[in-house]
Amino acid sequence: TQLLEQSPQFLSIQEGENLTVYCNSSSVFSSLQWYRQEPGEGPVLLVTVVTGGEVKKLKRLTFQFGDARKDSSLHITAAQPGDTGLYLCAGGGGSTLGRLYFGRGTQLTVWP
Amino acid sequence: EPEVTQTPSHQVTQMGQEVILRCVPISNHLYFYWYRQILGQKVEFLVSFYNNEISEKSEIFDDQFSVERPDGSNFTLKIRSTKLEDSAMYFCASSPQVLGNQPQHFGDGTRLSIL
Repeated sequence: TQLLEQSPQFLSIQEGENLTVYCNSSSVFSSLQWYRQEPGEGPVLLVTVVTGGEVKKLKRLTFQFGDARKDSSLHITAAQPGDTGLYLCAGGGGSTLGRLYFGRGTQLTVWP
Repeated sequence: EPEVTQTPSHQVTQMGQEVILRCVPISNHLYFYWYRQILGQKVEFLVSFYNNEISEKSEIFDDQFSVERPDGSNFTLKIRSTKLEDSAMYFCASSPQVLGNQPQHFGDGTRLSIL
């Protein structure tokens, strides 16, 4: 079983602050996907990273894939209340194609 | 933007009954998946499906589960004899390819409640 550990589990910050959430594993993944999930809805894809060391930016969100493709981080600059949600990382590939292994997620709350 | 659609949004069923959860994947996608999420727990893989057959299934996907693509657009998950522990959100996903750089797009799920 390939496990992804996300930290922190909960994060509560004020509007305008910066934050980083982490996704770590002892396993190598061929890709790492970040999703955001709202209550009662399905995960919505934010980004996919596939190359070790890759950095992708999506407006105020910066995603990085570790050099060894075992870990990833999501950094949000100047967080806004609209960023509130559950952020999930999911690893794909590795020993089994197609199947995604999800972390438990980081629940982010941004207060105005 | 194309999306994965799932029906029904909520299904309430008596224990022991059969349920069929339905999904319409994105039209040009070739790979289909079912995942489930028990309340408060992580999203778990159930099964992947390609070219009208199961590609991979997890240890959760036992003999009471089956999947089918009955026509060119629908993808279904059947639970033959439901148990209380089958209560969960069930998500369908699809992907154009299975390669690592082809992300999976998820529907909004079906909340299955077993009484």
